[in-house]
Amino acid sequence: NAGVMQNPRHLVRRRGQEARLRCSPMKGHSHVYWYRQLPEEGLKFMVYLQKENIIDESGMPKERFSAEFPKEGPSILRIQQVVRGDSAAYFCASRELYDTEAFFGQGTRLTVV
Amino acid sequence: DQQVKQNSPSLSVQEGRISILNCDYTNSMFDYFLWYKKYPAEGPTFLISISSIKDKNEDGRFTVFLNKSAKHLSLHIVPSQPGDSAVYFCAASGMASRGGSNYKLTFGKGTLLTVNP
Repeated sequence: NAGVMQNPRHLVRRRGQEARLRCSPMKGHSHVYWYRQLPEEGLKFMVYLQKENIIDESGMPKERFSAEFPKEGPSILRIQQVVRGDSAAYFCASRELYDTEAFFGQGTRLTVV
Repeated sequence: DQQVKQNSPSLSVQEGRISILNCDYTNSMFDYFLWYKKYPAEGPTFLISISSIKDKNEDGRFTVFLNKSAKHLSLHIVPSQPGDSAVYFCAASGMASRGGSNYKLTFGKGTLLTVNP
């Protein structure tokens, strides 16, 4: 059973471009979280999704950021018109419906130049 | 408003001794607590968890203690090994049965544990 898969592992974007981060949850997991880790800081919650449904996006910046978890395919975190401050490690985690333990992917390290 | 606090940014311990990592929380709606371990450039790895109906959970060298009245939990590692050197995150959540956004995991800022040979 493969773990949570994130791709790409590293992503470099110029200011103003779009960044798309993908997350394939563990098999059978229907819930996905996205977290961001800035240098020297902890894990900041961004968004919590169920398939085809956003449950909590209270940690997501109001502009430029969006997330989806379609019925088929991976969850996508999209950042439009990236700025240098978006440079961070973005982690995805998944869990089963009635489980509380969430399992993390290896992360995508976004660098905005 | 930091709902989960790890007040020690770092801890250094001698190999073979006990490591004690502490965590405090403020939200009384939390009733499930987890510890994750993270190496540089990797994702966090789930270590151990505890439900609020318990005060202790043990798994090998790792034991988590929960003091609900004090809103405090701790992770004990005995004996500590150099391979345990990593950042340890405490996280808290509502129970699955509550539904909705209570499932969200709220993390502390982490404690860097260094185990010296």
